[in-house]
Amino acid sequence: NAGVTQTPKFQVLKTGQSMTLQCAQDMNHNSMYWYRQDPGMGLRLIYYSASEGTTDKGEVPNGYNVSRLNKREFSLRLESAAPSQTSVYFCASSEAPGVSYGYTFGSGTRLTVV
Amino acid sequence: KNQVEQSPQSLIILEGKNCTLQCNYTVSPFSNLRWYKQDTGRGPVSLTIMTFSENTKSNGRYTATLDADTKQSSLHITASQLSDSASYICVVSVVDKLIFGTGTLLAVQP
Repeated sequence: NAGVTQTPKFQVLKTGQSMTLQCAQDMNHNSMYWYRQDPGMGLRLIYYSASEGTTDKGEVPNGYNVSRLNKREFSLRLESAAPSQTSVYFCASSEAPGVSYGYTFGSGTRLTVV
Repeated sequence: KNQVEQSPQSLIILEGKNCTLQCNYTVSPFSNLRWYKQDTGRGPVSLTIMTFSENTKSNGRYTATLDADTKQSSLHITASQLSDSASYICVVSVVDKLIFGTGTLLAVQP
């Protein structure tokens, strides 16, 4: 009954370092998403994957790259971390693309860039 | 501009009391409206999803209402419990994306 699993839960990076956030879902969902949550703001979409083999930019894609490794896994990479990327990152999945389906969220990765 | 605004920003109530959280949106065209509960340090968990034609939907002690004419929604929590302490987020769908409100932080005290 894991749902959406994110690793790591916490990470501290120095400016300029790179890292990959991992996300895996076990619900056989086709679509996966990466959001960031900042204080005083609603969740904002970074990238999404409507189905295996496809990825598209969301609202705030600059500074990030993604890989849909297979149907289960969707990773988010920061190539050169900046303090502005300090945030809580959430991965989510849905049965199919579009807004008619429920989204299941992971527990988040809290990233601090110093 | 598509926006979702929630009020109040924060709320403190005593255990066992009822409360109502508000959501106003300027999103167009509207697809559906969701309420999520987010516990501290956790991801959002869906409470209800309502389409344009639905006026009310319940999930246990949570009841959401929707007035599509005035573009307002409310989430009513009945007989609050300590475990209801969380942030409640209103999310409105437009075309192909979700627009998230900033949430109402609810604290239930014994």
